[in-house]
Amino acid sequence: AQKITQTQPGMFVQEKEAVTLDCTYDTSDPSYGLFWYKQPSSGEMIFLIYQGSYDQQNATEGRYSLNFQKARKSANLVISASQLGDSAMYFCAMREDNAGNNRKLIWGLGTSLAVNP
Amino acid sequence: GAGVSQSPRYKVAKRGQDVALRCDPISGHVSLFWYQQALGQGPEFLTYFQNEAQLDKSGLPSDRFFAERPEGSVSTLKIQRTQQEDSAVYLCASSGYPDPEYSNQPQHFGDGTRLSIL
Repeated sequence: AQKITQTQPGMFVQEKEAVTLDCTYDTSDPSYGLFWYKQPSSGEMIFLIYQGSYDQQNATEGRYSLNFQKARKSANLVISASQLGDSAMYFCAMREDNAGNNRKLIWGLGTSLAVNP
Repeated sequence: GAGVSQSPRYKVAKRGQDVALRCDPISGHVSLFWYQQALGQGPEFLTYFQNEAQLDKSGLPSDRFFAERPEGSVSTLKIQRTQQEDSAVYLCASSGYPDPEYSNQPQHFGDGTRLSIL
């Protein structure tokens, strides 16, 4: 059964420090994609970063990087140099590529990140 | 428009009323998804359209939920005889899949409709 696990309900980080948000996944599909989204209190879901299962290198997007460990089925998000505006819910999601035509996303429960000044 | 647009942003209805939620996807996007997000939870898949075809509706929680996308663009999610457990944020997302150019592109989300059933 497909599943996304985010074990950290809440995290705190000091402004300008780095923080790692954990995500583990479970799938039997050899081809899949992993996504991280940010959801501020205003509610919109903002795409941050993507990692494909066959990508050889870890994805990076500005201050965001993804620590992808395929054998351990983990895809942790690293935010460097945290800013106050990073305070939000963060969701890890997975898309299975061989699940027919439907590219739906399967989501974790999220991690609430608070950045302290 | 440039992004996915959802309306209304907030909807309050009395139990038993019917509601309709609208989603206007990014122009040209073939795929459209509806998700339901309960308070403090991650989104849960409801239904998926490819153009006007509803290819998967396995996530719709009951036959009170109905979605359509008649012209392959704007979509409407309708909930009949609303119940308190329907209270949630309803998120719409679109993507260019199955165009191969969009194979690894993310789903783009609207701001959601926050539905409260009294």
